[in-house]
Amino acid sequence: GAGVSQSPSNKVTEKGKDVELRCDPISGHTALYWYRQSLGQGLEFLIYFQGNSAPDKSGLPSDRFSAERTGGSVSTLTIQRTQQEDSAVYLCASSLGGVPYEQYFGPGTRLTVT
Amino acid sequence: AQSVTQPDIHITVSEGASLELRCNYSYGATPYLFWYVQSPGQGLQLLLKYFSGDTLVQGIKGFEAEFKRSQSSFNLRKPSVHWSDAAEYFCAVDPYNNNDMRFGAGTRLTVKP
Repeated sequence: GAGVSQSPSNKVTEKGKDVELRCDPISGHTALYWYRQSLGQGLEFLIYFQGNSAPDKSGLPSDRFSAERTGGSVSTLTIQRTQQEDSAVYLCASSLGGVPYEQYFGPGTRLTVT
Repeated sequence: AQSVTQPDIHITVSEGASLELRCNYSYGATPYLFWYVQSPGQGLQLLLKYFSGDTLVQGIKGFEAEFKRSQSSFNLRKPSVHWSDAAEYFCAVDPYNNNDMRFGAGTRLTVKP
């Protein structure tokens, strides 16, 4: 079956603009995760959804970042008033939920803020 | 601070040589443990995972890892490296067994012919 998909694959935006990143999880996966991977860095946890609710938003770096998930499926990560330090690869993963579990990752969206 | 540590940022090995990538964590409980691989331009792929039971786990592509509780370690090994193993390797820990995973900074593996 299809894996996790993300769009766009690449996004270049000007500083101060808003961007939306989309994640389509594997069908039937109830849990969805967003991570950020900056150049030469590990993965930074941003937010986790179980169904449409986000029990853990602790990783969002500032109030410019928000995320939502509708219908227990697609999720959108929105970054308002982008800054150059937001440039990174944004990775989405999904899992069946429950424990133990395995996360399946999408290919990522490379965001460049100029 | 609680963390996941991969002490080696970059490792170079010759093709056919053995490999060990280190991972240590500083959470108190016994977490769920994972190793992921990220090839250039690719998403992360799960190599193996440890939840409980036998502390030596086998994964895909000939990799294995051993959980050592006394050392809070989960090192990844492969007896004979192939050129296609060149990639970035991430150790990940779910410290409270609740879907909240934390990643190490990664180790980049270069394979010499």
